[in-house]
Amino acid sequence: DVKVTQSSRYLVKRTGEKVFLECVQDMDHENMFWYRQDPGLGLRLIYFSYDVKMKEKGDIPEGYSVSREKKERFSLILESASTNQTSMYLCASSRPGTQPYEKLFFGSGTQLSVL
Amino acid sequence: GEDVEQSLFLSVREGDSSVINCTYTDSSSTYLYWYKQEPGAGLQLLTYIFSNMDMKQDQRLTVLLNKKDKHLSLRIADTQTGDSAIYFCAESMRGSQGNLIFGKGTKLSVKP
Repeated sequence: DVKVTQSSRYLVKRTGEKVFLECVQDMDHENMFWYRQDPGLGLRLIYFSYDVKMKEKGDIPEGYSVSREKKERFSLILESASTNQTSMYLCASSRPGTQPYEKLFFGSGTQLSVL
Repeated sequence: GEDVEQSLFLSVREGDSSVINCTYTDSSSTYLYWYKQEPGAGLQLLTYIFSNMDMKQDQRLTVLLNKKDKHLSLRIADTQTGDSAIYFCAESMRGSQGNLIFGKGTKLSVKP
């Protein structure tokens, strides 16, 4: 069964801390994505990557960075966490070209609370 | 810019039909999607429709697409309590390389 695994289900951090959210997929997918999900705002794309060492800004990249050193792993980094980054973070992956439509596979999410 | 709009809440009784509506802005969308998010889980692709189709049926699910009005709907027949979830409408554009635009999600509550 295909899997996208996010390292933590719940995370509590303090303002100013550096935070790493890890995501691993076992499907050899080229594309990986980080979204945040907030009530009433839906999903907003933070960053995405089409290949190892490649990254593209999404709609709300401010305050975040990413790392893709290996194909299966895509990390989201909060350099200095702030309370407005309290949110549910969702990782997703996909393989382009295997079908004409886009099928994203999502992890279960990491609920981050910044105090 | 591109935008996908959908109402935030829908409540139905078990056994009734549910209709979740969505409007989108980009007429170049090639595919439109419905994703389902159950409580405590990530999103899963529920169904999709190609932009040159008007309707797609898959068991209890019917997707209707009105390209002229840029309106997409998802009908769930004989709604069950297990259908309670958040349903996201999404579109992909030509050349988007996998980047979907999601709506805010409609929370479907099914009452017994």
